[in-house]
Amino acid sequence: SAVISQKPSRDICQRGTSLTIQCQVDSQVTMMFWYRQQPGQSLTLIATANQGSEATYESGFVIDKFPISRPNLTFSTLTVSNMSPEDSSIYLCSVALSGNTIYFGEGSWLTVV
Amino acid sequence: QKEVEQNSGPLSVPEGAIASLNCTYSDRGSQSFFWYRQYSGKSPELIMFIYSNGDKEDGRFTAQLNKASQYVSLLIRDSQPSDSATYLCAVNREGDTGRRALTFGSGTRLQVQP
Repeated sequence: SAVISQKPSRDICQRGTSLTIQCQVDSQVTMMFWYRQQPGQSLTLIATANQGSEATYESGFVIDKFPISRPNLTFSTLTVSNMSPEDSSIYLCSVALSGNTIYFGEGSWLTVV
Repeated sequence: QKEVEQNSGPLSVPEGAIASLNCTYSDRGSQSFFWYRQYSGKSPELIMFIYSNGDKEDGRFTAQLNKASQYVSLLIRDSQPSDSATYLCAVNREGDTGRRALTFGSGTRLQVQP
């Protein structure tokens, strides 16, 4: 497995502001993913972030709202821009390891007020 | 039709019993199947994954896959109160084996009664 650390673990933000979530992995990984889990819902993929290329966004998610950086093989950031209460969710970083195993970080619990 | 469907539950079983969690998927090209456990307020924890038709056992857990019926299940033997959680079924989407992104079901809440 891998140790996947996310920061912040929780935050309360004002609407209209932006927050950047960091994801640090203890080993080099090619593929990193960002998911969102809205209250009472399951996980929805936001985008796939591979080092050295632009992130690939899923339908319903756009780069202007959720810019992603992937500067190296152990780190990625997701920014939630111009937040509204509808952005209140858990944001989860995920990595794919050898053998097709996929693990999640501890999550970042975001509340927008 | 949702891509991955699960009964939301709650599924209630007595301690020591076998809990059976079911999942169906719509994409026949799906190639790998995952079960995650999520405790309230926590992130999903990988239990096991399966690629091939048949059964795969890991401790008290057995995953069963039937690609013809587009059905995957998770059996938990000797259920314990600590197994009470939401169980998420996830599928690696067709054509995305290189990406390894997952599509999740809505989860089944399991309650194990002492």
